Amino acid sequence: DGGITQSPKYLFRKEGQNVTLSCEQNLNHDAMYWYRQDPGQGLRLIYYSQIVNDFQKGDIAEGYSVSREKKESFPLTVTSAQKNPTAFYLCASTPQAIGNTIYFGEGSWLTVV
Amino acid sequence: AQSVSQHNHHVILSEAASLELGCNYSYGGTVNLFWYVQYPGQHLQLLLKYFSGDPLVKGIKGFEAEFIKSKFSFNLRKPSVQWSDTAEYFCAVTTGGFKTIFGAGTRLFVKA
Repeated sequence: DGGITQSPKYLFRKEGQNVTLSCEQNLNHDAMYWYRQDPGQGLRLIYYSQIVNDFQKGDIAEGYSVSREKKESFPLTVTSAQKNPTAFYLCASTPQAIGNTIYFGEGSWLTVV
Repeated sequence: AQSVSQHNHHVILSEAASLELGCNYSYGGTVNLFWYVQYPGQHLQLLLKYFSGDPLVKGIKGFEAEFIKSKFSFNLRKPSVQWSDTAEYFCAVTTGGFKTIFGAGTRLFVKA
């Protein structure tokens, strides 16, 4: 089945540690995204990538980093510089055409203690 | 900066009541507009979208939305809600690129 796979689903980390969230898609989509979902704030864009080896900061990129070495993969690293990392993280993708429907993964819950 | 405002954060309705969820965006150019829905325990999924043409668009499960350009609005409606419509609804806007901005979401609870 085609889709977006995020792993792990649940992750606990100690403060000060970097953590990497995996996102893989087999939809052959060119664009990929990372959003953060917090109660009452909706989805906020962290980073997005339109093509391989290229990505842009979203609205809340500070404390995060990404890479796009392969079309199907877009991992997100939550660094120790992120002040409030505990959140639900959503990976998404969309085909090349601008404004197309976004397809979402199941999400990853990150808790930093 | 571009933004999307959803007027209600929480809505509680009884079954068969009519629903209207407000959405306004701030951007002066061409937009593509979406409503996404997240049912409990499920992925976010597309409810309906507007690209061009008829400003009244119909989506799945009896939902519709009307794009009013002069008001920068894209309100979601359903004439008669069901218990199964309980979910969180997100309005989203794409402006001339791959960047999509979401509203804060509206949690709808439908009482059986």
